[in-house]
Amino acid sequence: DTGVSQDPRHKITKRGQNVTFRCDPISEHNRLYWYRQTLGQGPEFLTYFQNEAQLEKSRLLSDRFSAERPKGSFSTLEIQRTEQGDSAMYLCASSSIDRREKLFFGSGTQLSVL
Amino acid sequence: RKEVEQDPGPFNVPEGATVAFNCTYSNSASQSFFWYRQDCRKEPKLLMSVYSSGNEDGRFTAQLNRASQYISLLIRDSKLSDSATYLCVVARMDSSYKLIFGSGTRLLVRP
Repeated sequence: DTGVSQDPRHKITKRGQNVTFRCDPISEHNRLYWYRQTLGQGPEFLTYFQNEAQLEKSRLLSDRFSAERPKGSFSTLEIQRTEQGDSAMYLCASSSIDRREKLFFGSGTQLSVL
Repeated sequence: RKEVEQDPGPFNVPEGATVAFNCTYSNSASQSFFWYRQDCRKEPKLLMSVYSSGNEDGRFTAQLNRASQYISLLIRDSKLSDSATYLCVVARMDSSYKLIFGSGTRLLVRP
């Protein structure tokens, strides 16, 4: 399967713990996005990378969130000192530079903060 | 106010019906428009782009009114398999090209 893969699929953690998610985009895609989705809402933009450069980060994202994409391949999203309000589905997507509008999403990581 | 607004529905229609969804966007700098589809517990997937002149893809027709900042999606001859959430999406063609999603309109097609 050469689609976008995310790991883990589910994460349950206690409030205050740190969590890290991984995303492996489609190999030839140089743009990578992180979105967050809660029930009944559409995906909410968090950040995106072109190759290894993080080009934009949502103003809604607190300093507890950080994302990296070393070497322009896989990406990680870390949430420090998790809060119950962080509970959501975290979606990663990638696209090619010539078809930026066609995002290929992974299946997501469902985070539950207890 | 959200940048992209949609009626959440659900729209509950019989097979064969025609159904239309509307969407409004607030940022006049938005230049590209799309409809994505999201099945229950699945990831979103691109359904179609929306062009100023309007465009069709089989049973699906998309329209854009830039003056009113309004986008629509029409589905003719609804199938059971059309049941999903339809997400209205806008993008700005600047250096930070990113897609902004609406909250989605849920469609239920019944036999």
